[in-house]
Amino acid sequence: DIQMTQSPSSVSASVGDRVTINCRASQGISSRLAWYQQKPGMVPKVLIYAASSLQSGVPPRFSGSGSGTDFSLTISSLQPEDCATYYCQQASSFPLTFGGGTKVEIK
Amino acid sequence: QLQLQESGPGLVKPSETLSLTCTVSGGSMSSSTYYWTWIRQPPGKGLEWIGSLYYSGTTYYNPSLKSRVTISVDTSKNLFSLRLGSVTAADPAVYYCVIYNTLSGCFDPWGQGTLVTVSS
Repeated sequence: DIQMTQSPSSVSASVGDRVTINCRASQGISSRLAWYQQKPGMVPKVLIYAASSLQSGVPPRFSGSGSGTDFSLTISSLQPEDCATYYCQQASSFPLTFGGGTKVEIK
Repeated sequence: QLQLQESGPGLVKPSETLSLTCTVSGGSMSSSTYYWTWIRQPPGKGLEWIGSLYYSGTTYYNPSLKSRVTISVDTSKNLFSLRLGSVTAADPAVYYCVIYNTLSGCFDPWGQGTLVTVSS
């Protein structure tokens, strides 16, 4: 099974800051990685798929990069509505697996 | 745009079987692009993939749950189902039915989720 490790587990930043979340796969997954945003009490929402493709309707301040085993999600200018938990997910092979999540808070 | 809606008991007794149904609307269930999928999220914890079913009948299950899980589909009724046997105190969670898109490799759309509690 492919293990997904996210870091940090939480981050606190100011409005306007650049925030980067990392995700590492235990083996190479090419670009088969997606990122999700989940706000409290809400359903997870796809932000990025195929490591760097922005889902329709997602603000361009969100971007994804990486391939192989190391990936990142960047929020270029943090907004109050970006407070949420973010998950990475590998789509290289079954069983499909998620990272443990990164909670983003506003300072 | 496909839409999903979970239904089923919100309370299950220990050692019994959890049964949930996901009704699909807005499109066909015969797509070769989709896997019909269940994901769960224990309170305050992360997302856990339970399993996925392809329209051909091929299924994949989380190894940690495989012995207790069955996912099935009824295309005539536009629904797919989850059965999780021998539930314990480790199984309470919000259960989501989701589409796994093999082209994009992501889960979208999601049902609204249904909370299942385990208690006698």
